[in-house]
Amino acid sequence: GENVEQHPSTLSVQEGDSAVIKCTYSDSASNYFPWYKQELGKGPQLIIDIRSNVGEKKDQRIAVTLNKTAKHFSLHITETQPEDSAVYFCAASISTGTASKLTFGTGTRLQVTL
Amino acid sequence: DTAVSQTPKYLVTQMGNDKSIKCEQNLGHDTMYWYKQDSKKFLKIMFSYNNKELIINETVPNRFSPKSPDKAHLNLHINSLELGDSAVYFCASRTLAGVRSGANVLTFGAGSRLTVL
Repeated sequence: GENVEQHPSTLSVQEGDSAVIKCTYSDSASNYFPWYKQELGKGPQLIIDIRSNVGEKKDQRIAVTLNKTAKHFSLHITETQPEDSAVYFCAASISTGTASKLTFGTGTRLQVTL
Repeated sequence: DTAVSQTPKYLVTQMGNDKSIKCEQNLGHDTMYWYKQDSKKFLKIMFSYNNKELIINETVPNRFSPKSPDKAHLNLHINSLELGDSAVYFCASRTLAGVRSGANVLTFGAGSRLTVL
């Protein structure tokens, strides 16, 4: 089955700096790659996603890049703010039918300091 | 509010007891999941149901029995609780139409923290 690795496990940046989180996946058939943000005491929430037919996607201060050949994808957060502090999860899935499931990475705890 | 709702939010119990966690979604989704998040924050899928039918069962012990009375509800019953069952359990849902369009987007509940003493 799919295996998703995520690095780093913890990341501390100063407010205003950029943060980058990287993931690799094992199944070349995976075609959908979302990123989730989990704030303290809450469930994960989708913040951005990318499909395998796209190399890059941007939404305001966050962007994702995908390298299908190398089987890795990354989350970039620019101009970080304290409210960006959370645990971030990457995931991969083969979006087909009812048995389609997301395999999550191990999470990155991002701390944005003042 | 449209959401995935789980009850209870916190559950503290003794080893050997039986407990249930309930989940309801009013999003009109047709697939529901249970995920387990351990102390290291790892998110692991346990079960998924599509229109009340079990689709995914990720080698979870038989002590865990999901039940879906209708496509808006997925409950999790755990028998003979063990210390290792302590975790946060998340219910999630998605729409199959979304999957077929290429986006497997999950909406998560706020989680149910289970502590087994």
